[in-house]
Amino acid sequence: DAKTTQPPSMDCAEGRAANLPCNHSTISGNEYVYWYRQIHSQGPQYIIHGLKNNETNEMASLIITEDRKSSTLILPHATLRDTAVYYCIVRMYGSGNTGKLIFGQGTTLQVKP
Amino acid sequence: DTGVSQDPRHKITKRGQNVTFRCDPISEHNRLYWYRQTLGQGPEFLTYFQNEAQLEKSRLLSDRFSAERPKGSFSTLEIQRTEQGDSAMYLCASSPRRVSGSNEQFFGPGTRLTVL
Repeated sequence: DAKTTQPPSMDCAEGRAANLPCNHSTISGNEYVYWYRQIHSQGPQYIIHGLKNNETNEMASLIITEDRKSSTLILPHATLRDTAVYYCIVRMYGSGNTGKLIFGQGTTLQVKP
Repeated sequence: DTGVSQDPRHKITKRGQNVTFRCDPISEHNRLYWYRQTLGQGPEFLTYFQNEAQLEKSRLLSDRFSAERPKGSFSTLEIQRTEQGDSAMYLCASSPRRVSGSNEQFFGPGTRLTVL
């Protein structure tokens, strides 16, 4: 079972920031938080990941709370092309694990004009 | 295009027939994953290869399913005696050798299977 909880759906106005929350209260010290998204009829696409520090890349920012029990993915200026299902995943790191991803239901983000 | 490719993109078959899907990962990615996704659900892990070795199989992978990666490059997923419940999108992903905990998986476009 997925170890994360996300709202099933969210709306965002085009050009505004989209803030997608994720709860992972049972995360352990050797687990990363990953975000992927899946645009309709495509395979999932990696967005960003982090362990305990906030992270930013060209796609998004990831804010992880100090206790690591929740995180927020931020799309700073959402466009219509950001309409997708967003998955928050916790994944163990370290030698010996396969790196498989356990997806939950995700959040369907609808960006509206 | 140097991404993950899958073939065919769509497959319609009759119940009881065998089907085989192919996945070509990104060159030099030693890790390869198969997932299955049904309508409205997130992808579910099926199996994992590191090079040519199949190191993990999900309980979802019944005896009718078999996957191979004979030379550590492309992979095939075969379903024997298909059932209507096998109708789904089958996704393949590859990942490079682990570096500092990162394990970004690159997904293919998927093969959509419909069993009539």
